[in-house]
Amino acid sequence: QVQLVESGGGLVKPGGSLRLSCAASGLTFSDYYMTWIRQAPGKGLDWVSYISNSGRTIYYADSVKGRFTISRDNAKNSLYLQMNSLRVEDSAIYYCARVFSNFFDYWGQGTLVTVSS
Amino acid sequence: EIVLTQSPDFQSVTPKEKVTITCRASQSIDRSLHWYQQKPDQSPKLLIKYASQSFSGVPSRFSGSGSGTDFTLTINGLEPEDAATYYCHQSSTLPHSSFGQGTKLEIK
Repeated sequence: QVQLVESGGGLVKPGGSLRLSCAASGLTFSDYYMTWIRQAPGKGLDWVSYISNSGRTIYYADSVKGRFTISRDNAKNSLYLQMNSLRVEDSAIYYCARVFSNFFDYWGQGTLVTVSS
Repeated sequence: EIVLTQSPDFQSVTPKEKVTITCRASQSIDRSLHWYQQKPDQSPKLLIKYASQSFSGVPSRFSGSGSGTDFTLTINGLEPEDAATYYCHQSSTLPHSSFGQGTKLEIK
């Protein structure tokens, strides 16, 4: 079965950096587009970034453009999100999800990022 | 940007009741509308894709309908395990997709 496992979250000061990882199993990772979605504590879902199966096509939400970088390593079945210049408002649970057709059919359990001084 | 507005924000319901949650898009999205269920302390799970197609393994009491700007998620015969927050999601402007604000269902 498809499994997505995020890691790399933690507590960081404003202006700091974190790199999130998402390890995929149970799927041919290189066949699928992937996405990051976040959820601030007690809030709704917020799309963050999207990468094609080859990694050549990438999109970002305006709120993170220029600060976050999505990437993938198909040989390692892994998705990444490099987050720089972090702000308090970036505090959230970050989920990776598989893009199938135009919807998100499998999600990881999430990793919590807290930005606080 | 397409804005999705769900109603209600919160609903307290009894088991076996029929529940209807609506999602309205700020402009037409054809049938590019999907529904997710998020139970407390869990990640979201896909329920319905393309407005009315059930995802694999989803109980038959969940159904979806609608097209254009108005969509509905229906739960026929609510079960206690259906206590969750439900989100609609539009992919008409993929990759820049958006979600509704969520509808929290409480089971009495």
